[in-house]
Amino acid sequence: DAGVIQSPRHEVTEMGQEVTLRCKPISGHNSLFWYRQTMMRGLELLIYFNNNVPIDDSGMPEDRFSAKMPNASFSTLKIQPSEPRDSAVYFCASSGHRGRFEKLFFGSGTQLSVL
Amino acid sequence: DQQVKQNSPSLSVQEGRISILNCDYTNSMFDYFLWYKKYPAEGPTFLISISSIKDKNEDGRFTVFLNKSAKHLSLHIVPSQPGDSAVYFCAAPGFGNEKLTFGTGTRLTIIP
Repeated sequence: DAGVIQSPRHEVTEMGQEVTLRCKPISGHNSLFWYRQTMMRGLELLIYFNNNVPIDDSGMPEDRFSAKMPNASFSTLKIQPSEPRDSAVYFCASSGHRGRFEKLFFGSGTQLSVL
Repeated sequence: DQQVKQNSPSLSVQEGRISILNCDYTNSMFDYFLWYKKYPAEGPTFLISISSIKDKNEDGRFTVFLNKSAKHLSLHIVPSQPGDSAVYFCAAPGFGNEKLTFGTGTRLTIIP
């Protein structure tokens, strides 16, 4: 299995531009998570999906952030318009959801820099 | 508010010695804890976990201890090896859902 695949690995953009991050979860996993890593707050959960349905988006910082999961093998996280404070590493993770203690498998992340 | 806290951002340990990474939590309802390890330019990977019905779980060189009365857990690595240099996160799942709350991480550096 190729694991969780994220693209792009690095994204540099200017303030005000739209940014789209992409994720392909592990085949057969039915839960998908978007996390953001910053020095100050560590790994923060932004949103998670179960069977392609958003379950909890309480971590999404503001309306500029949106996430979709049109099918079981693809998800996007969009920031529009982007701001310098959005600069961080964004991780996607998936799990098989056999119970609460199912461990997460993370992608390699997208390093976002907003200038 | 951080429900899972790692108060030491960094730790340096001599190769072969014991590394002890600490984690505190505020929510006494947490009943399961996990440690993840993260290398640069990679995503975190699962390392070890412990249920609140236990106070210790061991896996090779890695042992996690849980002190429920103090709301504290620690990860011991013995002996420490250069490949253990990474950022370590502790985490706890939510209730009735799969949300994992992570600490801010501790960067461990093993000195050869």
